[in-house]
Amino acid sequence: AQKVTQAQTEISVVEKEDVTLDCVYETRDTTYYLFWYKQPPSGELVFLIRRNSFDEQNEISGRYSWNFQKSTSSFNFTITASQVVDSAVYFCALVGEGSGNTGKLIFGQGTTLQVKP
Amino acid sequence: AAGVIQSPRHLIKEKRETATLKCYPIPRHDTVYWYQQGPGQDPQFLISFYEKMQSDKGSIPDRFSAQQFSDYHSELNMSSLELGDSALYFCASSFGTGQETFFGQGTRLTVV
Repeated sequence: AQKVTQAQTEISVVEKEDVTLDCVYETRDTTYYLFWYKQPPSGELVFLIRRNSFDEQNEISGRYSWNFQKSTSSFNFTITASQVVDSAVYFCALVGEGSGNTGKLIFGQGTTLQVKP
Repeated sequence: AAGVIQSPRHLIKEKRETATLKCYPIPRHDTVYWYQQGPGQDPQFLISFYEKMQSDKGSIPDRFSAQQFSDYHSELNMSSLELGDSALYFCASSFGTGQETFFGQGTRLTVV
């Protein structure tokens, strides 16, 4: 079975603080893909990043960075110098490439991030 | 760049009525997905299509059906609506499985 766990339900930080959102996944597939999405209060789901299971290089995009560690089945997301506009629900998701997998995303429960001014 | 287009954005229906949601995927994307997101919950997979053929099915009620048309747009039909069907419904598309998957802005369905 495939599963994504985001243990942090809610995080509250003050603007300019760094914050890390945790994501732990379970899958038996050797090839899989991990995603992060942002859902602001307006409700849309905004694609942030996709990583495949063979690429463990960390990635940085502006204030965002991602740390993928297969050894701990984790794909954590860090926001540096957080801003009020970062306030949203963040979802981690998994797609497996095993038999019968058709690209559907398995989502974690989401982490609500509140950034206070 | 073109995004996934969903219509309508908001829909209010009474119990036992029927609703039809439409989705226009990103051009050249060959896979369309439908998800349902209840209040405070993560999106749950309903159904997907690959090249206009149903490719997967999740926990979609029998009252719901979907199809993808020759122009690649997709429709989700929901009949005998219940109060519990009130949710945000997302359509998403990708080019191939496991690839970057983009979501539409969603349709907020309220059943009263």
